[in-house]
Amino acid sequence: EAAVTQSPRNKVAVTGGKVTLSCNQTNNHNNMYWYRQDTGHGLRLIHYSYGAGSTEKGDIPDGYKASRPSQENFSLILELATPSQTSVYFCASGGTGVNTGQLYFGEGSKLTVL
Amino acid sequence: KTQVEQSPQSLVVRQGENCVLQCNYSVTPDNHLRWFKQDTGKGLVSLTVLVDQKDKTSNGRYSATLDKDAKHSTLHITATLLDDTATYICVVGDRGSALGRLHFGAGTQLIVIP
Repeated sequence: EAAVTQSPRNKVAVTGGKVTLSCNQTNNHNNMYWYRQDTGHGLRLIHYSYGAGSTEKGDIPDGYKASRPSQENFSLILELATPSQTSVYFCASGGTGVNTGQLYFGEGSKLTVL
Repeated sequence: KTQVEQSPQSLVVRQGENCVLQCNYSVTPDNHLRWFKQDTGKGLVSLTVLVDQKDKTSNGRYSATLDKDAKHSTLHITATLLDDTATYICVVGDRGSALGRLHFGAGTQLIVIP
């Protein structure tokens, strides 16, 4: 069964602290994504990757870094967390080709920066 | 500028009733359109994907239409159940591969009451 697992599911951080959100997929997908979801907005793309060792900037990359050390794992790193980064973060993995319908999301990581 | 607009923002229906959710978009090119269901505190789960210029899909009690000329899609839910309570999100993809940009609507919150 397709699976995307995020950790931690909930995190409280202090301003200026470092936060790492982790994502693991067992779908053998090349493509992985990090989004944030804020009330009243659609999901917004932060970083994405098309394979191990690659990371690309999405639409709102400022303040975030990403790391893809392996096919299965994709991390989102906040080196200096700020309150504006309080949000729910979603990881997704996708195969190539639309008609396969292969796009799976994790259950989200709720981050609160105080 | 928001490129994917969903209406209504929220909707309350009685169990057993039918409902229709709307999605209008300005994304160009519009390669495909997906509908997702998001339960509270959970990730997004794909319901259907539409690809053709004028397309229709059916997935159990869910059916969807797409008209690329009008840049408009609908999601119909027949004989609603309490478990249909969720946010429904319309997503437009601008390419055929998963690496294309995905443009997310803010969602329609559906509440099904007994």
